[in-house]
Amino acid sequence: DTGVSQNPRHKITKRGQNVTFRCDPISEHNRLYWYRQTLGQGPEFLTYFQNEAQLEKSRLLSDRFSAERPKGSFSTLEIQRTEQGDSAMYLCASRPTGTSLGHEQFFGPGTRLTVL
Amino acid sequence: AQSVTQLDSHVSVSEGTPVLLRCNYSSSYSPSLFWYVQHPNKGLQLLLKYTSAATLVKGINGFEAEFKKSETSFHLTKPSAHMSDAAEYFCVVSDSGGYQKVTFGIGTKLQVIP
Repeated sequence: DTGVSQNPRHKITKRGQNVTFRCDPISEHNRLYWYRQTLGQGPEFLTYFQNEAQLEKSRLLSDRFSAERPKGSFSTLEIQRTEQGDSAMYLCASRPTGTSLGHEQFFGPGTRLTVL
Repeated sequence: AQSVTQLDSHVSVSEGTPVLLRCNYSSSYSPSLFWYVQHPNKGLQLLLKYTSAATLVKGINGFEAEFKKSETSFHLTKPSAHMSDAAEYFCVVSDSGGYQKVTFGIGTKLQVIP
């Protein structure tokens, strides 16, 4: 399967614990995005990478959140000292190189986080 | 600034009847517009996209959408609903800026009644 993959698919943790999610984009895509989706809402943008550079971060991304893409391939999203409000689906997407408006983003299946 | 308004949070249709999911957008740039579908426990899948070419866009599974600049609308339609169409549908706008920021609507849940 050459789509976007995310691991784990589900994560249950206790409040205050740290969690890390991984995203493997489609191999030739240099742009990578993280989104958060809560119940009854559409995905909300968190952050964007072009290769290994993190070029944009949403105000939703508090200091407890950090994302990396060390070699311009896979990316990790870490949440420190989790809170119940962090419970959500975390989605990763990638898109091809280039600035053509026709390039849609390709989404992974998401990681569902539950903070108890 | 850009935004998307999906006018119905839930739509219910009978199998075999037409589907209409409404979307209005706001964008400072000439936008690209997309419709994505999300089935339960599945990832988001692109249905169709508008990128300033033909205003009537055909997508997968018999869906189509018409871009109407004067009405700032991009409504999704299908002539005849199938049970497998039951899912959540998201209208998405993307600007022409540096990283082409994408903004999602809140989604419309489509229920298909047998």
